[in-house]
Formats: sequence, C-alpha cells, structure tokens
Amino acid sequence: DIQMTQSPSSLSASVGDRVTITCRASHGINIYLAWFQQKPGKAPKSLIYAASSLQSGVPSKFSGSGSGTDFTLTISSLQPEDFATYYCQQYQSYPLTFGQGTRLEIK
Amino acid sequence: QLQLQESGPGLVQPSETLSLTCTVSGGSISRNDYCWGWIRQPPGKGLEWIGNINYSGSTNYNPSLKSRVTISVDTSKNQFSLKLSSVTAADTAVYYCTRRRVNWPTDSWGQGTLVTVSS
Repeated sequence: DIQMTQSPSSLSASVGDRVTITCRASHGINIYLAWFQQKPGKAPKSLIYAASSLQSGVPSKFSGSGSGTDFTLTISSLQPEDFATYYCQQYQSYPLTFGQGTRLEIK
Repeated sequence: QLQLQESGPGLVQPSETLSLTCTVSGGSISRNDYCWGWIRQPPGKGLEWIGNINYSGSTNYNPSLKSRVTISVDTSKNQFSLKLSSVTAADTAVYYCTRRRVNWPTDSWGQGTLVTVSS
C-alpha cells in the first residue's frame, strides 16, 4: 500500500492568512493526487485532482502543486468558510489511500 | 445532477453482516467510464477506502477488509451495494457511497450514513 502522510495534523490561522498543507507519499505517484475539504457532519468535497487541477466551481484561492512523492495544498486569503479538515488521496494504485487529515482552525 | 443516497440499518449486531445500498439518480450506473464504491469514516477519525466496482461487476477491495467485503451492482435498479461480514465495534463508522471516473479520484459522494455495531 502507498502511505500518505500529511503535515501538520492541525493548524491555527487567522482570517486573511495564507496557509500551506503538505502531503507526502511513501512511493512515487506521479500526479495522481487529489485534495478534499470536509466540514463537520458533511461529506468530503473534491477540491483538486491531478495534483494541481481545480474541480469545477472551486475558487482559485485554492491551489495545488507537486509530483512524485511531495505535494502541497495552498489556501490564500482564508475566509471563515475555509476552516475545515483537509485530506489528500492518492489514486495511482489500489488500494486508494488517504492522508490522516489536517484540521484548519481559526486562531 | 448526479445524486447518491445510502440506505440500510443504522445498528448492526456484532458478528453479523452490515448491508448498505446506494441508489444513484441523475445518471446511469451502467456507464463504462465510472466506478462505484464505498469509503468509511469512524467517528472523529480519517477516511478509509473500502472498495469499488464497475458496471460490468469487476471489483477492487482494500486488502485490510477484502476477506469480509462484497460490493455488487444492480443495473436494473441503478443501485450498488456493500456487504461487510463479521462486524465488530471497529466497523462503526459513517459509510459513504461514491463515484469516480476510471483512473480519476472520487468526484461524487453520498451524504453518508452512520452504522453502529453494538449489541
């Protein structure tokens, strides 16, 4: 299995800040990396696929980068609705695996 | 607009079989470019991929659950199902049914259903 490791596990930031979350794969996954946002009591929402492509309707404040084993999700100009938990997922090979999540909290 | 809706018992006895159905509306489950699957999330924890199936019935399962999992599809009802046998308290989770295009990540999720394993 490909292990996905996110850092940090939790992050405190203020409205207007820019934050970066990192995801590292235990084996190279090319660009087969997706990012999801999950709010309490809700299903995850797809943000980014193929490491850097935005899903339709996702604002450009979200951006992704990376390839191989190291990836980042950057959120600029944080707004109250951005405070949530973020997960990365590799889909290069089965079993599909997720990072453990990064909880983004308001400072 | 595609919608996925999980249904099934919210409480399952230990050692019994968990059974859930996902009804797909707004799109055909018979498309050969999509896979239909299940992901679960224990309370307060992260996401775990369970497995998926394509329109022809070809399956892929998480090795950690493979001996207990069966995913099947009923194209006549536009539904697919999950069976997880010999459940324990560790299987208590919110179960999501999902769709993904072949070789792409999950792009659609049901609202999720909480299944509690308890006597």
